[in-house]
Amino acid sequence: GNSVTQMEGPVTLSEEAFLTINCTYTATGYPSLFWYVQYPGEGLQLLLKATKADDKGSNKGFEATYRKETTSFHLEKGSVQVSDSAVYFCALISGGYNKLIFGAGTRLAVHP
Amino acid sequence: EAQVTQNPRYLITVTGKKLTVTCSQNMNHEYMSWYRQDPGLGLRQIYYSMNVEVTDKGDVPEGYKVSRKEKRNFPLILESPSPNQTSLYFCASSDGSYSNQPQHFGDGTRLSIL
Repeated sequence: GNSVTQMEGPVTLSEEAFLTINCTYTATGYPSLFWYVQYPGEGLQLLLKATKADDKGSNKGFEATYRKETTSFHLEKGSVQVSDSAVYFCALISGGYNKLIFGAGTRLAVHP
Repeated sequence: EAQVTQNPRYLITVTGKKLTVTCSQNMNHEYMSWYRQDPGLGLRQIYYSMNVEVTDKGDVPEGYKVSRKEKRNFPLILESPSPNQTSLYFCASSDGSYSNQPQHFGDGTRLSIL
């Protein structure tokens, strides 16, 4: 079946450090891939997405590239800020019907 | 403002006492769904609805019911709650069933079943 695996957290970084959160997936067909972010006490917000191989999603300085050959969709940011502290979820949809399959989530803490 | 509204945000109750969590969206979205979030498991889909009067089970439907009598509302019903349903619940909506449409999430409902 479809599944998403992402690196365990928490990830603790200093402000302006480089961020990578790894995500790999297993899916039938050609899934769409997403990163969602959850700030404390809030619901999930779509951060970025990619719908086909080699697409790069980007938003707010975050980037992720859909790599079909390695079934990966790693999240990166060149310089994190304290305000980026949140839980990040990698997710996929495969086969329509908008059912999101989520990874376990990775908590990011950025310190000044 | 486009939003998905869930109520209540927090609820502590006891085993067996029926409860309903409401979800309402103001975007005229056809597709709505419920997820539960548990540590180490991410979010898992409970039920979804493609449109009014059309609902179907997700991955973890046991112990839950839903209804979709109006397009904007999609309540989650726990007829006889049990402690293993203690969790953080999210309602989501999107425009149609296409997989590249973004989903809008509510702020969550934290349920504690004692």
